[in-house]
Amino acid sequence: SQELEQSPQSLIVQEGKNLTINCTSSKTLYGLYWYKQKYGEGLIFLMMLQKGGEEKSHEKITAKLDEKKQQSSLHITASQPSHAGIYLCGAPRGSGSARQLTFGSGTQLTVLP
Amino acid sequence: NAGVTQTPKFQVLKTGQSMTLQCAQDMNHNSMYWYRQDPGMGLRLIYYSASEGTTDKGEVPNGYNVSRLNKREFSLRLESAAPSQTSVYFCASSGGLDTQYFGPGTRLTVL
Repeated sequence: SQELEQSPQSLIVQEGKNLTINCTSSKTLYGLYWYKQKYGEGLIFLMMLQKGGEEKSHEKITAKLDEKKQQSSLHITASQPSHAGIYLCGAPRGSGSARQLTFGSGTQLTVLP
Repeated sequence: NAGVTQTPKFQVLKTGQSMTLQCAQDMNHNSMYWYRQDPGMGLRLIYYSASEGTTDKGEVPNGYNVSRLNKREFSLRLESAAPSQTSVYFCASSGGLDTQYFGPGTRLTVL
């Protein structure tokens, strides 16, 4: 079965600093989702990547899927306290008419003001 | 639109008790999912429903049953709760192969 490993598990940065979170798969990725979760809340969809080399940005968050499609990175520029939370990557597995997702264990981000 | 809603938000059960977690979506999505989230283990799929009238097992189905009541609603039932089922449960929905949208979760404690 496909496994997703996220690194680091936790990250503490000073406001204004840049940071990167990685998601590495044991198998070729046929899509990669990034979600953000605040404590006690549900998951908020950030971005989806499908093609090797694809890069997407939203506000100060950029996600990339490498050419070999086995790793994705999430980069936050000039971090703010509002960026704090748990970031999860998820990848589809299996076939069929529903998209079953396997998730990494998450990266907990703390941004100090 | 409310998106994906879940009830209850919190629940405490004693071992052996039963309960049903409710989920509803108003996005006209075909597919619905139930996940559990445990510390250090990310989210794991319990059951999913590709479309109304169908359900399939996910990664960790033991001890759970599901019902796809109609296109909007997908419930998760614990027949005899065990402490190992203490977790946060999330429902999600998608338009088939599209992005999954999650509900706010149910925090369940089994004593």
